[in-house]
Amino acid sequence: EAGVAQSPRYKIIEKRQSVAFWCNPISGHATLYWYQQILGQGPKLLIQFQNNGVVDDSQLPKDRFSAERLKGVDSTLKIQPAKLEDSAVYLCASSLERWDSNQPQHFGDGTRLSIL
Amino acid sequence: RKEVEQDPGPFNVPEGATVAFNCTYSNSASQSFFWYRQDCRKEPKLLMSVYSSGNEDGRFTAQLNRASQYISLLIRDSKLSDSATYLCAVNSPSGNTPLVFGKGTRLSVIA
Repeated sequence: EAGVAQSPRYKIIEKRQSVAFWCNPISGHATLYWYQQILGQGPKLLIQFQNNGVVDDSQLPKDRFSAERLKGVDSTLKIQPAKLEDSAVYLCASSLERWDSNQPQHFGDGTRLSIL
Repeated sequence: RKEVEQDPGPFNVPEGATVAFNCTYSNSASQSFFWYRQDCRKEPKLLMSVYSSGNEDGRFTAQLNRASQYISLLIRDSKLSDSATYLCAVNSPSGNTPLVFGKGTRLSVIA
């Protein structure tokens, strides 16, 4: 089974620039998550989708971050404009169904973002 | 009190040693518990789910203590390849609440 695919693997931009990340979840997984992992910390949820609907975006800094999953499969996460503190690894994960809380989440390789 | 807490370590242990990590959680109604392994500069990978009765997978044993609100991971006969960061994750019972991860415990197994 193919895993969660993310691109790009690495991105370096200057502050105030824009950046976008792409994620393709495991086939058949209805739930998709975007996490931010800062060095030395655990992953922190930014946004959770169930199919193409947003379930939880309470920790998404909406003044600069946006995400969409228009057709309920692929998703993009955008940052505009980027700040220095956005330097982190952005992880995408997917799971079968949200309401089955015993379903584990499977992570992609992540995108390592560096802001100069 | 943070939702999920772990001792960051590092735990430096010799090959063959037995090592155990704990992870405490604050929400007594939490229902699902997981241990993830994360290698340096890699994504977290599911190591094992934690069941109420405890569960074992080879050299790894996971246990849940609801009364004291912690989960544990025991690694027997440590191998060099076990060196990694071990993240615990807890799911709150509310339908819209996602997994909450701890900061992770770093393990170094030394030859």
